[in-house]
Amino acid sequence: AQSVTQLGSHVSVSEGALVLLRCNYSSSVPPYLFWYVQYPNQGLQLLLKYTSAATLVKGINGFEAEFKKSETSFHLTKPSAHMSDAAEYFCAVSLSNFGNEKLTFGTGTRLTIIP
Amino acid sequence: DAGVIQSPRHEVTEMGQEVTLRCKPISGHNSLFWYRQTMMRGLELLIYFNNNVPIDDSGMPEDRFSAKMPNASFSTLKIQPSEPRDSAVYFCASSPGTGNPRSYNSPLHFGNGTRLTVT
Repeated sequence: AQSVTQLGSHVSVSEGALVLLRCNYSSSVPPYLFWYVQYPNQGLQLLLKYTSAATLVKGINGFEAEFKKSETSFHLTKPSAHMSDAAEYFCAVSLSNFGNEKLTFGTGTRLTIIP
Repeated sequence: DAGVIQSPRHEVTEMGQEVTLRCKPISGHNSLFWYRQTMMRGLELLIYFNNNVPIDDSGMPEDRFSAKMPNASFSTLKIQPSEPRDSAVYFCASSPGTGNPRSYNSPLHFGNGTRLTVT
């Protein structure tokens, strides 16, 4: 079975500072990995996805994530935080053979931006 | 494209009452998913459909929960009877995926959710 662990349920950064949200995965087969963002009172939106092509994946809103097999990690970063980045972020994993049908989400990290 | 549409946005009901949540997926999407989100358990997949057929309902908590998809443009999640522990935000999501490996290219599109409060 696959799973993801998000380290830190709450992260606060100053506006303009680096954003780093951590995600480690566990999977018995090569995984597909995703980051989703949830703004208040809305559903989740896809930020970016890793599907065994380039290990550095660029997403929307200036976010990117790097797949590191040796560390079983898929951390999300953004060089300079913006107030509009305040939201909850979810890492998710899917077995490569099943795509969306077996998507398992982490528990989420709430990102707060300090003015 | 109107996106995934869920109704109602908020539902407050008393325990023991029947609750029906509704979802209209994006036109042309073949897969539909029902998720439940709570502070304690995060996002849980309850059930998903492929081409209107339930594929995996192992996440449905108990027999009080049932889901149907009578056609490609409509699905319901019913709780009967409802209990206070059912209070959560229920999300519907759809994707063009059909269960083959190419479906990973198609992200889930979520609705805005239904916030259910059972008193």
